[in-house]
Amino acid sequence: EAGVTQSPTHLIKTRGQQATLRCSPISGHTSVYWYQQALGLGLQFLLWYDEGEERNRGNFPPRFSGRQFPNYSSELNVNALELEDSALYLCASRGDPLYEQYFGPGTRLTVT
Amino acid sequence: AQSVTQLDSHVSVSEGTPVLLRCNYSSSYSPSLFWYVQHPNKGLQLLLKYTSAATLVKGINGFEAEFKKSETSFHLTKPSAHMSDAAEYFCVVSDRASGTYKYIFGTGTRLKVLA
Repeated sequence: EAGVTQSPTHLIKTRGQQATLRCSPISGHTSVYWYQQALGLGLQFLLWYDEGEERNRGNFPPRFSGRQFPNYSSELNVNALELEDSALYLCASRGDPLYEQYFGPGTRLTVT
Repeated sequence: AQSVTQLDSHVSVSEGTPVLLRCNYSSSYSPSLFWYVQHPNKGLQLLLKYTSAATLVKGINGFEAEFKKSETSFHLTKPSAHMSDAAEYFCVVSDRASGTYKYIFGTGTRLKVLA
């Protein structure tokens, strides 16, 4: 069974640009979570999507947004990139009735 | 409200000696608890989970953890460390009864294994 996949692996952008990160959950999983892992800051919860709807949002500005598609894949968009947005962005999926999340390998975003 | 505290930010052990990574939690409901491992520049891998069944939980790679409600602890142990265990470990708590599927991550413990 294929795991959670994320693309691209690495992304380099300049300040002010927009970044789009993609995530495909494990087949059958309907929930997708996004996390930011910046150096020294641990994992910070960004967004939770389930059945196509945003269910919860972490303490991030509105320039962090996303969506979930009918096939349950998800996209994270970061507008007006700032240097401090440089981080590893992790996607996780969960399927009912499971409680555990399964993580993808991450997208390393570098803002210069 | 939920919270999780990993008591050690760094742990060093010699290869072949026991590993103990400590985690205390706080939860208003019946918690689900997880341990994940992250190798450098990789995603998180689930080691084990507690979701109200047996209090002693066995995971992958020889790791296990014991849920102790009276101590609000969920410490991760392994009898004999291997070089490949060197990584960062995260303890995670989630409230099952609340139905919110919100996950709180600890700040991580970096395990170093000495030859």
